[in-house]
Amino acid sequence: GAVVSQHPSWVICKSGTSVKIECRSLDFQATTMFWYRQFPKQSLMLMATSNEGSKATYEQGVEKDKFLINHASLTLSTLTVTSAHPEDSSFYICSAIRLGGPNQPQHFGDGTRLSIL
Amino acid sequence: AQKITQTQPGMFVQEKEAVTLDCTYDTSDQSYGLFWYKQPSSGEMIFLIYQGSYDEQNATEGRYSLNFQKARKSANLVISASQLGDSAMYFCAMRSNNAGNMLTFGGGTRLMVKP
Repeated sequence: GAVVSQHPSWVICKSGTSVKIECRSLDFQATTMFWYRQFPKQSLMLMATSNEGSKATYEQGVEKDKFLINHASLTLSTLTVTSAHPEDSSFYICSAIRLGGPNQPQHFGDGTRLSIL
Repeated sequence: AQKITQTQPGMFVQEKEAVTLDCTYDTSDQSYGLFWYKQPSSGEMIFLIYQGSYDEQNATEGRYSLNFQKARKSANLVISASQLGDSAMYFCAMRSNNAGNMLTFGGGTRLMVKP
């Protein structure tokens, strides 16, 4: 079964709205989670690394004031798209790693399709 | 810097036949891991198989096997006995132990299985 839960699956909202996406590790503690963005027919682009109890590390070109990340507990990270505009429409997907060695894969949530009207 | 290259944007395979999806990588690190993920049209990323840089044997998981050629820096995914449900995007990814737990993804290959 799923080990990472992401909510909501779909969001359609008006321009200017802020949208919060949650990512939960279901049966393990994740000190690090990752947030990706994926455009149609393209690969995953890492946006930021979410660290429990500290500030997220953003990739170059990602606006940290636009994409707020909070990792308040060992099982929950949230991504808030602030004042969303149509160009923010995309597929957002999170992942987490279960500790246990270098062979542990990143487990992904099911993703969130965000459409800004 | 790390880089993953998947040279096949799209591939067709006949149902029940085997198919190889290519992946080459570039890294200066000695210790790294290679992963393959499947992404159906619904969007979720499904972990398929892992190969460690120090693993001497090629990884296998059911119908999936990884043809790891370290000297050539390639990690091709082989799917045997293709099924219609195998139609999806496939991503090769690498994690270097010197880069923490970050994954670098290739551009992906869209596999279409014909009945």
